[in-house]
Amino acid sequence: QVQLQESGPGLVKPSQTLSLTCTVSGGSISSGGYYWSWIRQHPGKGLEWIGYIYYSGSTYYNPSLKSRVTISVDTSKNQFSLKLSSVTAADTAVYYCARQLGATGYNWFDPWGQGTLVTVSS
Amino acid sequence: QSVLTQPPSVSGAPGQRVTISCTGSSSNIGAGYDVHWYQQLPGTAPKLLIYGNSNRPSGVPDRFSGSKSGTSASLAITGLQAEDEADYYCQSYDSSLSGSTVFGGGTKLTVL
Repeated sequence: QVQLQESGPGLVKPSQTLSLTCTVSGGSISSGGYYWSWIRQHPGKGLEWIGYIYYSGSTYYNPSLKSRVTISVDTSKNQFSLKLSSVTAADTAVYYCARQLGATGYNWFDPWGQGTLVTVSS
Repeated sequence: QSVLTQPPSVSGAPGQRVTISCTGSSSNIGAGYDVHWYQQLPGTAPKLLIYGNSNRPSGVPDRFSGSKSGTSASLAITGLQAEDEADYYCQSYDSSLSGSTVFGGGTKLTVL
């Protein structure tokens, strides 16, 4: 079955850009039919959807983060990536990648990666 | 403040039935968008529990059920077991402010 795994630096300095990659195994991003999302969870808090990408490269971002977020896809590596610019301590969170199923408005997430903690600190 | 409101905590004894509510508004649940539920065991990633308001993925016990009415949805767990102790999140879509996937704040279920 499809599995996802996040990777990237666990520590980022304030004002810099957070960069994470999600590697998909057990299925091809290029096969279509699914969107690929990033979701984060602040320590001890709830979940916040960041955005998604389709294998074609089309994206949609959370309006509250849109100005700082870029999600890209590399179908040759079966990976998709997240870049979040101008980070502050408020961006410290566990970042998850997940497969998104269903049409906009009726979409859900399954499966999820195990998550990776990113701390923003000097 | 989450767009979808859940009680911070619920509890029940083994074998009992508990419900977790998820209250939204006319721009999300009340607009007809689906509600989905996730279980997050301590130290792990969320796992899909219910999709499309009331559908269980393969492998999820039928002790878990979901429903939706008006601007709210509910997750019911019957025959409570110790292993059900976890955080539970609802998720839907909100059409205000350009539209976005939204989550509830989460509910901590304690099995007494």
